[in-house]
Amino acid sequence: AQSVTQLGSHVSVSEGALVLLRCNYSSSVPPYLFWYVQYPNQGLQLLLKYTSAATLVKGINGFEAEFKKSETSFHLTKPSAHMSDAAEYFCAVSDRGNAGNMLTFGGGTRLMVKP
Amino acid sequence: SQTIHQWPATLVQPVGSPLSLECTVEGTSNPNLYWYRQAAGRGLQLLFYSVGIGQISSEVPQNLSASRPQDRQFILSSKKLLLSDSGFYLCAWRRGGSVETQYFGPGTRLLVL
Repeated sequence: AQSVTQLGSHVSVSEGALVLLRCNYSSSVPPYLFWYVQYPNQGLQLLLKYTSAATLVKGINGFEAEFKKSETSFHLTKPSAHMSDAAEYFCAVSDRGNAGNMLTFGGGTRLMVKP
Repeated sequence: SQTIHQWPATLVQPVGSPLSLECTVEGTSNPNLYWYRQAAGRGLQLLFYSVGIGQISSEVPQNLSASRPQDRQFILSSKKLLLSDSGFYLCAWRRGGSVETQYFGPGTRLLVL
C-alpha cells in the first residue's frame, strides 16, 4: 500500500525566504508524484508532477521539486516566498497502473508567509 | 478546454436529511471521476471513483453513496446525513486509460447541524 508523509503540518517563512515543504512516500513500485496547492475554500490546483522524466520538476508560480529515489522524497521548494504563496500544499502519490489511477494524499502543509 | 463544475457551492443541512451533490465535467469524454472529502484540519480522503457509466468503486464504507448516470456526471448522495458528514467535498476528473493528472472542481462545503 502506498502512503505519503508530509513533515510539518504548518510551515512559516518570511517573505523572500526559501520555501521548503517536505514529502516522503512509500510505494512498492516507482510512483508518479504530484504537488497540489489549495487556497481557502477552493479546489486543488496542480503545481507540478513527476512521471519518470527528469527528476527535477519545475512547476507553476516558481515552484520546483526533486524526486530522490534513494530518499523516497519529493520535496517542494521555491527560492523566494511571496505573500500570495500562503496556502495549503498537498503531496500525492499514484501507483503506476493501479486501477482507477487513485491518488494517495499526504496530510497537507499549511504555508504561512510573514511580511 | 475541459472544465469541472460542482453544485451547490455551500450547503447547510440538518442531521437525518438527504443529500445530493452534483459534479459535471465538460470538454472531455469517458473521464475517470472521483469524490473526495476534506474534513476540517485533515487531508483528503477518497470516497468513490468511477471509470465509466454505472461503475462505482467505494473506498470507505459509510452512509454515503455515489452514482454516475451519465458519462460526465457524478453524484454523491446520502439518505440520512450524520454530523460527521460535514466537510469540504471535492470532485476530480482524469482522462481515462492513462496515468495523468487529476483535476479538481471548486468544491462543495457541507455543514450538517
